[in-house]
Amino acid sequence: DTGVSQDPRHKITKRGQNVTFRCDPISEHNRLYWYRQTLGQGPEFLTYFQNEAQLEKSRLLSDRFSAERPKGSFSTLEIQRTEQGDSAMYLCATNQGADYNEQFFGPGTRLTVL
Amino acid sequence: AQSVTQLDSQVPVFEEAPVELRCNYSSSVSVYLFWYVQYPNQGLQLLLKYLSGSTLVKGINGFEAEFNKSQTSFHLRKPSVHISDTAEYFCAVSDRGDTGTASKLTFGTGTRLQVML
Repeated sequence: DTGVSQDPRHKITKRGQNVTFRCDPISEHNRLYWYRQTLGQGPEFLTYFQNEAQLEKSRLLSDRFSAERPKGSFSTLEIQRTEQGDSAMYLCATNQGADYNEQFFGPGTRLTVL
Repeated sequence: AQSVTQLDSQVPVFEEAPVELRCNYSSSVSVYLFWYVQYPNQGLQLLLKYLSGSTLVKGINGFEAEFNKSQTSFHLRKPSVHISDTAEYFCAVSDRGDTGTASKLTFGTGTRLQVML
């Protein structure tokens, strides 16, 4: 257990539905990252926050995806109008932005879109 | 843009034998390098990292890796593997940010290490 938690661990939804995932970081970590991992691939970067500011978004993050970190603590990732291609493991990672480079990963949320 | 190539998708090895998992990277700027391990149904765990200094870095569980700038490689090694080392291993790279801290990670596709009795 790295101290980063994600909820839910598994989500099954029908195509076209909206889903929201939550990540709770290690308390003193000011940077929070979202990655997506599909079967047989390494994680791919989606977006990251420093405190409440979203500093970078990948081109992978279509308009249907939105992420927030309203108070600089937990973060949510929402996918609207889900598609089968959204089926993946969504990983959250956090670290302390200054002088600490290791990213601590949560266990992930596995999304299955039927 | 950065990229990471893990040359072997699967590596079968007998218990107590040595193993090397290969990783090559491409980047136009200075980088930090990482190896993560992912056990079944678990999150990614850092094995070791290269930030600067000595090119041979030692990590947890007896793993080590050597940074070779001229060959842009960061191969992972263990002199004697155990059945519990069976897992997926990911090499990752990150740009050195403006303040010298790492930002987003770019991962390779992973190498499945299968340790056999």
